[in-house]
Amino acid sequence: EVQLVESGGGLVQPGGSLRLSCEASGFFFSDYWMSWVRQAPGKGLEWVANIKPDGSEKYYVDSMKGRFTISRDNAKNSLYLQMNNLRAEDTAVYFCARDNEWSRDYWGQGTLVTVSS
Amino acid sequence: QSALTQPASMSGSPGQSITISCTGTSSDVVDYNYVSWYQQHPGKAPKLIIYYVSNRPSGVSYRFSGSKSGNTASLTISGLQAEDEADYYCSSYTSGSTPWVFGGGTKLTVL
Repeated sequence: EVQLVESGGGLVQPGGSLRLSCEASGFFFSDYWMSWVRQAPGKGLEWVANIKPDGSEKYYVDSMKGRFTISRDNAKNSLYLQMNNLRAEDTAVYFCARDNEWSRDYWGQGTLVTVSS
Repeated sequence: QSALTQPASMSGSPGQSITISCTGTSSDVVDYNYVSWYQQHPGKAPKLIIYYVSNRPSGVSYRFSGSKSGNTASLTISGLQAEDEADYYCSSYTSGSTPWVFGGGTKLTVL
């Protein structure tokens, strides 16, 4: 059974940093692109970033380039999102998802990031 | 503002069929068949229900179907059931600077 479990969310002050993790199981993690998608409270889904299986290619939504960094550790079956210089508008539930067939076929339950003083 | 445009809300009665539209541009829906649809119940993670415009993942009800014409992709739900009440999002690959975009979402109410 495919499982994705996010962690690392919490309350952080504006300008602060946070590192999200996503632990994968039930599939060959090193074979798949992986994505982060976020959802602000009461709002729609927003794709954030994705990363190639070997980590050699990474893509980001324009508004987060330079502040967010996606990475992975295939030995640990884990995906990460380093978020720096956080703003109030980054407050959201962050989902990790497996990329497959040009879609996101499995999703984690999400982790809530709240940026507030 | 989302790159893909969906109606904010729709409603239907049990047993009816409804079609949710997703309008894009030549940078996404027109040029690529990488359109997918997701169902999200309140407080839950999204669930993939359609990929490659019209393909259903294993385990997804046959009542869900997808199509595309020009710059508009569509999700049709036939034989509406109470459990179909949820938010629905389309997504597409795009040749723009951001490779993936979502629609703003459609809240479906089953009356």
